[in-house]
Amino acid sequence: KAGVTQTPRYLIKTRGQQVTLSCSPISGHRSVSWYQQTPGQGLQFLFEYFSETQRNKGNFPGRFSGRQFSNSRSEMNVSTLELGDSALYLCASSEDPNTGELFFGEGSRLTVL
Amino acid sequence: GENVEQHPSTLSVQEGDSAVIKCTYSDSASNYFPWYKQELGKRPQLIIDIRSNVGEKKDQRIAVTLNKTAKHFSLHITETQPEDSAVYFCAARRDGGNNRLAFGKGNQVVVIP
Repeated sequence: KAGVTQTPRYLIKTRGQQVTLSCSPISGHRSVSWYQQTPGQGLQFLFEYFSETQRNKGNFPGRFSGRQFSNSRSEMNVSTLELGDSALYLCASSEDPNTGELFFGEGSRLTVL
Repeated sequence: GENVEQHPSTLSVQEGDSAVIKCTYSDSASNYFPWYKQELGKRPQLIIDIRSNVGEKKDQRIAVTLNKTAKHFSLHITETQPEDSAVYFCAARRDGGNNRLAFGKGNQVVVIP
């Protein structure tokens, strides 16, 4: 089975722009979670989707949003980018929506200038 | 929400020695505790996990212990090797918590040959 695939792997944006990141989960996995990783804060939970529904959301401003499609692929969007949004955005998928192991992708490295 | 703290932030050990990383959690309802290893530039990968109905779990050179009363859990690596050098993250979750993991901020382990 192919692992979790995230695109793009690297991107550079300027303040005020918006960005869309994509995640394809492992085949058969219907739960997709997003995490922001920064050196100072570690991994912080953004949101989680299951069957196209957002089930849980972390403590991030409304500029951070996401969605999940019927094929379980997920996207997250960050609007009006700020310098502090520079981070590695990690997607993780799970077969079991409540008790399963999370499998992470390689991440999308976002730099905001 | 759940708060996970991880100590120490950096740990250097001589090859062949043991390494121990400790984490504390705040939510007494948490019942799943995974450990992830992240090598430089790579994705976090699950190395071992434990559920609250057991106190210890071992997998070759890696073991995890859990003290529910004190709300802390530890990762033990014996006979460390250079390839054990990485950042290790502990996490906690309540089953049924929609796959929302609360992570510690990570521990940089350096194995000195």
